[in-house]
Amino acid sequence: GENVEQHPSTLSVQEGDSAVIKCTYSDSASNYFPWYKQELGKGPQLIIDIRSNVGEKKDQRIAVTLNKTAKHFSLHITETQPEDSAVYFCAASRTGTYKYIFGTGTRLKVLA
Amino acid sequence: SQTIHQWPATLVQPVGSPLSLECTVEGTSNPNLYWYRQAAGRGLQLLFYSVGIGQISSEVPQNLSASRPQDRQFILSSKKLLLSDSGFYLCAWGLSYEQYFGPGTRLTVT
Repeated sequence: GENVEQHPSTLSVQEGDSAVIKCTYSDSASNYFPWYKQELGKGPQLIIDIRSNVGEKKDQRIAVTLNKTAKHFSLHITETQPEDSAVYFCAASRTGTYKYIFGTGTRLKVLA
Repeated sequence: SQTIHQWPATLVQPVGSPLSLECTVEGTSNPNLYWYRQAAGRGLQLLFYSVGIGQISSEVPQNLSASRPQDRQFILSSKKLLLSDSGFYLCAWGLSYEQYFGPGTRLTVT
């Protein structure tokens, strides 16, 4: 079946450094890729997304890149801050289905 | 703007007791609605989704059920809880590609 692999499972960075989380999907028909941030005890928050007709999208310190040929997409966080510490999930879906295939999550720790 | 509510926020229930979790969405019409479960430190498991009133699709066969009595109301139920039903239950809504999650209900079955 379809799956999404996410790496790394944990990531520690110094405040001010950049963080990169990578996901690889198996369903070549996937065309929508959201990223969620989940803080402890809270629901996941949609932070950025990208569709398959776009190669890169940026929103302030956060960017997502998509390589359709290799079937992978990445989340880039620049100038990390302690409040960026959370678990990040990637997901993939395709037209005609309402279901997401989620990655297994990355626990990001930003060290002050 | 749209808002999603879930209640209760936390719940402790004995094994064998019934369950009813409620989710409501404000500020939109005819949303797609979803129920997910998240075990401690784990990913998100889709349980049910609904594209309209009375239309429920089940992803995982288990002792849980879902209903959508109104356009913006989604209910998760069980007649008899199991220990394995413990977890963080999340409701989500969306109109097309996006899904927006609620604050969640933490259920502990004792």
